[in-house]
Amino acid sequence: DQQVKQNSPSLSVQEGRISILNCDYTNSMFDYFLWYKKYPAEGPTFLISISSIKDKNEDGRFTVFLNKSAKHLSLHIVPSQPGDSAVYFCAAMTAGSARQLTFGSGTQLTVLP
Amino acid sequence: NAGVMQNPRHLVRRRGQEARLRCSPVKGHSHVYWYRQLPEEGLKFMVYLQKENIIDESGMPKERFSAEFPKEGPSILRIQQVVRGDSAAYFCASSPPGVSYNEQFFGPGTRLTVL
Repeated sequence: DQQVKQNSPSLSVQEGRISILNCDYTNSMFDYFLWYKKYPAEGPTFLISISSIKDKNEDGRFTVFLNKSAKHLSLHIVPSQPGDSAVYFCAAMTAGSARQLTFGSGTQLTVLP
Repeated sequence: NAGVMQNPRHLVRRRGQEARLRCSPVKGHSHVYWYRQLPEEGLKFMVYLQKENIIDESGMPKERFSAEFPKEGPSILRIQQVVRGDSAAYFCASSPPGVSYNEQFFGPGTRLTVL
């Protein structure tokens, strides 16, 4: 039972354009969402997060949007750079869940020069 | 800049042997988490510990796996009598005390290969 789903295993974008990575969740108890970036043979690196009381959070080139009614969030990267090429994981947590993160299966982003 | 440290980075074991994975959290962090990533999958939660306490082990297999975070020293994930299906990347993460919602900082992982 996948509670966090990333339906696109891969995405290719031209350098300078916008990258949009999507994530859907089924557990309505999730109330905090995070995006991590992962390079091969390294651990995930935190990018940006959003609380369920917000619908948007922005940090530099990265913006996360949350649509609670649709149980959907997305990560926008603009402009995309070749160094952004990595696997991006969406993760969620629940109040009172003892902090465990539930991860999606990841999306491989390739930014073409 | 001492982030989460894990060792060894690579570990090869034969079936039936024991594997011990170590994790030193970010200095000042009192919460430690272990996750496992099987090939082509996302990370799966295994266990959440604070110093000398297991808070949530709902993701741990019932047999052969154990974890501890002693008062002194690193957190240890122990896998007894390893099988080929245990081959995976094991990631440790930590977070600071007091804040419920916070990002978890991940280590580089230990890649376990069971022959």
